[in-house]
Amino acid sequence: DAKTTQPTSMDCAEGRAANLPCNHSTISGNEYVYWYRQIHSQGPQYIIHGLKNNETNEMASLIITEDRKSSTLILPHATLRDTAVYYCIVDRISNFGNEKLTFGTGTRLTIIP
Amino acid sequence: EAQVTQNPRYLITVTGKKLTVTCSQNMNHEYMSWYRQDPGLGLRQIYYSMNVEVTDKGDVPEGYKVSRKEKRNFPLILESPSPNQTSLYFCASRRDRVSDTQYFGPGTRLTVL
Repeated sequence: DAKTTQPTSMDCAEGRAANLPCNHSTISGNEYVYWYRQIHSQGPQYIIHGLKNNETNEMASLIITEDRKSSTLILPHATLRDTAVYYCIVDRISNFGNEKLTFGTGTRLTIIP
Repeated sequence: EAQVTQNPRYLITVTGKKLTVTCSQNMNHEYMSWYRQDPGLGLRQIYYSMNVEVTDKGDVPEGYKVSRKEKRNFPLILESPSPNQTSLYFCASRRDRVSDTQYFGPGTRLTVL
């Protein structure tokens, strides 16, 4: 499985867009980029995922570079409730075997009032 | 409401006293798994189940057992807990092996003295 690199921590002002980078330079062609977040020891929460096209849902946008070696999660208008640890994960969807997610240590995002 | 529930949420026990952490999901998901989370180590998978009566080891199965007699339930059993099993435990489910999204329970904080 490909590894990801994320900054350890980031701050963002409330109401501004939070842009969280992730490097995954060894990603394979059949691997997706997933983002989850974990708010203060609660269960991780799915945010968004993508393969190569940019994706948007009600929570966030995901921008994947053309070479797929990095991506950015964008929270368009950050609120205090977005303070959490954000995990970038690359994994493949397969018909075989165990589809576990390998969580790294993530980025601790703090939203500043 | 679609959810994964775990019980108990908090447990303090002593070495060697058998315990069970229950996990239940109401989404008719086939795939369930257990993770433990420790500082600096991220989430590590303990066991997973791809359907009723189908279970297999994850990355850190030693000292744990599981069973999947019904689709909705996936209990985690510690036959003889030890202090190194002090951790935050999460149960997760997904619709099937190729589903995109894992849903996590709220977590069980276990302390073994």
